Amino acid sequence: DTAVSQTPKYLVTQMGNDKSIKCEQNLGHDTMYWYKQDSKKFLKIMFSYNNKELIINETVPNRFSPKSPDKAHLNLHINSLELGDSAVYFCASSQMGLPNQPQHFGDGTRLSIL
Amino acid sequence: GESVGLHLPTLSVQEGDNSIINCAYSNSASDYFIWYKQESGKGPQFIIDIRSNMDKRQGQRVTVLLNKTVKHLSLQIAATQPGDSAVYFCAETPPSNNDMRFGAGTRLTVKP
Repeated sequence: DTAVSQTPKYLVTQMGNDKSIKCEQNLGHDTMYWYKQDSKKFLKIMFSYNNKELIINETVPNRFSPKSPDKAHLNLHINSLELGDSAVYFCASSQMGLPNQPQHFGDGTRLSIL
Repeated sequence: GESVGLHLPTLSVQEGDNSIINCAYSNSASDYFIWYKQESGKGPQFIIDIRSNMDKRQGQRVTVLLNKTVKHLSLQIAATQPGDSAVYFCAETPPSNNDMRFGAGTRLTVKP
């Protein structure tokens, strides 16, 4: 029973293509996130959605577009892939509110651009 | 064994020794702090958290210390085991939202 699941685990594609990564959580959380982890293991938040509404949108190229069909899903669509997009992308979820609660992460999608 | 700040990304300890991983956080308004463990090919996994109204919290074999005066967080692992080998991240969260920011991470290697 995976709490936060991402598909695919590996994604190899050519520069210029469009691809999507899917994320689903079965924890009943109301907030979901996308993070990018570079080759030096640095984790940076990209987006956050609360109840299907965008609440955090860091400085990422507009080629990246998150889509949340319902609060259990947050997909990431990337247009016109570039070499610099190669990274591991993590989805996470948490329950918003006070006190703050930890975020739970999926196992990542390794994106490799040829 | 002990790591210092964000400029020493690796820490190597002998099995059975205690490990100390340090983290300097940036936002003095942050009031919630988490340590995550990331094993190869996996996502970050929650280890322990602490809120700003505490300066110490203990779990099973792990202790987190918080020094708000100098914005410093540390993770102590007692009797380190080979299964503890991983990259460890600290994360800070400001009040009233879950905009969590990660530190650079420390790779812990446990030698048998």
